[in-house]
Amino acid sequence: GENVEQHPSTLSVQEGDSAVIKCTYSDSASNYFPWYKQELGKGPQLIIDIRSNVGEKKDQRIAVTLNKTAKHFSLHITETQPEDSAVYFCAASFSGSARQLTFGSGTQLTVLP
Amino acid sequence: DSGVTQTPKHLITATGQRVTLRCSPRSGDLSVYWYQQSLDQGLQFLIQYYNGEERAKGNILERFSAQQFPDLHSELNLSSLELGDSALYFCASSVGREGLQETQYFGPGTRLLVL
Repeated sequence: GENVEQHPSTLSVQEGDSAVIKCTYSDSASNYFPWYKQELGKGPQLIIDIRSNVGEKKDQRIAVTLNKTAKHFSLHITETQPEDSAVYFCAASFSGSARQLTFGSGTQLTVLP
Repeated sequence: DSGVTQTPKHLITATGQRVTLRCSPRSGDLSVYWYQQSLDQGLQFLIQYYNGEERAKGNILERFSAQQFPDLHSELNLSSLELGDSALYFCASSVGREGLQETQYFGPGTRLLVL
């Protein structure tokens, strides 16, 4: 089955700096890669996703890049703000009949004011 | 608010007991997924239902079972509970269109503590 590795496990940045979180996946059949943000006491919330026919996607301060050959994808957050502090999870899936997400282990992002 | 509701928010019970967690998907969503989040195992897929039928199984224990009812709400039943079953249990839903990978919207979760 699919295996997703995520690094780093913790990341501290100064407010206004950029943050980068990286994930690798094992199953070349995976074609959908969402990123979720989880705040304390809440469920994961989708912040951005990318499909395998696209190399990069941006949404304001957030961007995701995908390298299918290397089987890795990254989340980039620019101009970080204290409210960006949370745990971020990457995930991988494929559009077969079963579309369960395989999650990375999570990154605790702390934005220092 | 994702539109996915889960009850109860918290559940405290004893080893050996049985509990039922409930999930109502977003209006119009046909697919329901259950995930378990624990400190040592992270977020793990348990089981998926689509329009009342089981679609996929993950690392779900035999002591656990689920179903999706005609009104599309789903229940996850956990029996013979052990201390290690203490975790957050999330339900997610998606529309369920064939041939398309869709966003899964997560509920707020049920925190289960087994004493």
